[in-house]
Formats: sequence, structure tokens, C-alpha cells
Amino acid sequence: AQTVTQSQPEMSVQEAETVTLSCTYDTSESNYYLFWYKQPPSRQMILVIRQEAYKQQNATENRFSVNFQKAAKSFSLKISDSQLGDTAMYFCAFMNPNTGTASKLTFGTGTRLQVTL
Amino acid sequence: DTGVSQDPRHKITKRGQNVTFRCDPISEHNRLYWYRQTLGQGPEFLTYFQNEAQLEKSRLLSDRFSAERPKGSFSTLEIQRTEQGDSAMYLCASSPPSLPIRQYFGPGTRLLVL
Repeated sequence: AQTVTQSQPEMSVQEAETVTLSCTYDTSESNYYLFWYKQPPSRQMILVIRQEAYKQQNATENRFSVNFQKAAKSFSLKISDSQLGDTAMYFCAFMNPNTGTASKLTFGTGTRLQVTL
Repeated sequence: DTGVSQDPRHKITKRGQNVTFRCDPISEHNRLYWYRQTLGQGPEFLTYFQNEAQLEKSRLLSDRFSAERPKGSFSTLEIQRTEQGDSAMYLCASSPPSLPIRQYFGPGTRLLVL
């Protein structure tokens, strides 16, 4: 079974600064997907960024980028130029597309990010 | 596109009562997922539908839980004889046939069992 570990329960960053959220995972699969989801207070979860394991290039989406280290099974999220609207719970998630049926997500326990003035 | 919607958004019930939640996926999304999120935890997979067929159920889904997706459109999740341990946020997600790995989440139904 796959597991996802987020070792930082809470983090804080000042507006306009850069912050990195950590995630490690465990799997015996070679092909899989990794995701970062954002869950703002009392709002629904939205996808921030996605990484395919077979791609060596790290994914980027505007101010969000990842550092994917496949051998180390590490998948960190870097948020540049942090904004107040980035305040949220951030979940790292794993998906094995090879199960034949469900492409279910396995989530970590989340990191609560607070962006301050 | 309207997003995934869930109803009700909040539900308070007494232990032993039955509750039913509804999820309306994004139009033409053929895959639908239910997750449960307890306080301080990430969502955990409960069950999955492809069209009207329920293809996978987690061991978390005890006999008191049942889910349906008649006609492959909306889905319902029913919990019978609720227990205090059922208190959680129940999340629904859907994904399109063109990109099944891309799950869109609804706002969730927060259940409190007294």
C-alpha cells in the first residue's frame, strides 16, 4: 500500500516571501502521479499542481513549482511570492493509475500554511 | 461549467439515526469518488463509481454505509445507525473520461453525530 507523509503540520511565511512544503511517499510502483491540493478555510479542495513520475522535468504552475526526487521519493512544493490568498491547508497526494479500476487518491495529513503581512 | 455540488453542506444528527448525502458531479464526468476527512487528517478514499457501477469500496466502508449512483449521474451516500465516530467531512469528487486522473472536489458535507 502507498503512504504519503507530510512532516510539517504548520508553517508560516510572510507575504512576498518563498516557502517550501515537504512531502515524502512510499511505493513500489514505477509509474504514478503526485499532486498538491489546496483546501482554503471552509472552501473546497482545488488542485494546485500535478507531476507524472515518468517525467524528469519538475512541474510548474505560475508561482507554484515542485521539486520531484524520484529516487528519494520526495515531492516538495515551493510557493514563490506568497500571497494572503495562499493561506490554506495543503495536501500532498499520490495516485497509482495501474490498479485497473479506481484512480483513487492517497493523501498525506496536510500542512497548514499561514501567510502573514 | 458548474462545479461539483453536495447537499446538505452541514448535517447534525443523533446517534442511531440514518443520514443520506447527495453529490452532483460535473456534467459528463463519468467517474465519481467519495472520501471521508476527519479533523486534522487528509481525505481517505471510501468508494468509486464509473458511470453507474460501483467498482471499488474501501474497508473503511462498513456495512452501515451504502452508496449508489443510479443512471450514472448524481450519487447518494447513506449511513445507517450513525455512530459518533462517523462525524467527519464527506467529500465527493468527479473526473472526466478525457482525463480520469484529474479529480474535481465538491465543498463537502460536514456531519456531526451527537
